[in-house]
Amino acid sequence: DAGVIQSPRHEVTEMGQEVTLRCKPISGHDYLFWYRQTMMRGLELLIYFNNNVPIDDSGMPEDRFSAKMPNASFSTLKIQPSEPRDSAVYFCASSFGIALGEQYFGPGTRLTVT
Amino acid sequence: LAKTTQPISMDSYEGQEVNITCSHNNIATNDYITWYQQFPSQGPRFIIQGYKTKVTNEVASLFIPADRKSSTLSLPRVSLSDTAVYYCLVGRGSGGYNKLIFGAGTRLAVHP
Repeated sequence: DAGVIQSPRHEVTEMGQEVTLRCKPISGHDYLFWYRQTMMRGLELLIYFNNNVPIDDSGMPEDRFSAKMPNASFSTLKIQPSEPRDSAVYFCASSFGIALGEQYFGPGTRLTVT
Repeated sequence: LAKTTQPISMDSYEGQEVNITCSHNNIATNDYITWYQQFPSQGPRFIIQGYKTKVTNEVASLFIPADRKSSTLSLPRVSLSDTAVYYCLVGRGSGGYNKLIFGAGTRLAVHP
C-alpha cells in the first residue's frame, strides 16, 4: 500500500485566498483524521471522520475551516479565506478502528500564508 | 483523557540505551499507553502500545508498572537515525470515543 497520500506537499498563498488540502487514506481504513502542527501549539486534532461522516469537529479553529469526505478514498480540508496565522503543517491520518494506536499519518502539507 | 507529562528533551550517544519516562497519574482502567515517533518533516509514526507490564517489538520496549501511573519507552542501542520527537499518549485501546491529544513530546538528540 502507498500509505496516506496528501497533496500538495507545499502550498504558498496570499492572505485572503482559498486553500484546499487533499488526502487519500489507506484503502480499507474507516477513520480519517486531520491534524495541524505548529511550533507554538504542537500537534492538534482538527476533525475526524468515521465511514465518511464527520464525528468530531471541535478542533476546527473557526468557520473559515471546513472539511469534507465525499467518499472513502478522498477528503479535503479547506480554508477560506486564509490568514497568516493558518501557516502550519497539516497532516492527514487514517486508521482501521478508533483504537488509540496505529494511526497512519501522511507526509503532511506545509502551508505558508503571506 | 489522561494528561501525560514527559521530559521536553533528552540527549544520548550512539550505541547507548535510552529510556523516556511518561507520567500519567489519572490513567483510567480502560486506557492504553501508546508511543509515537516523529522525524523532522514527517508525520508521527506508531512505535508501540501496551496496557500493563512489558511489551517488546522490533523497535522498542515499553515498561508499565503495576499502578500504571507511568510508563517508560526504552530504545536499545540508539543510532543517529533515532533522533526524533517521541510522544506518549494515553487513551482507550479499542472502541468508544477516543480523541488523540499529542503533548509537546520528548525531543531526543542522538550524538555521534
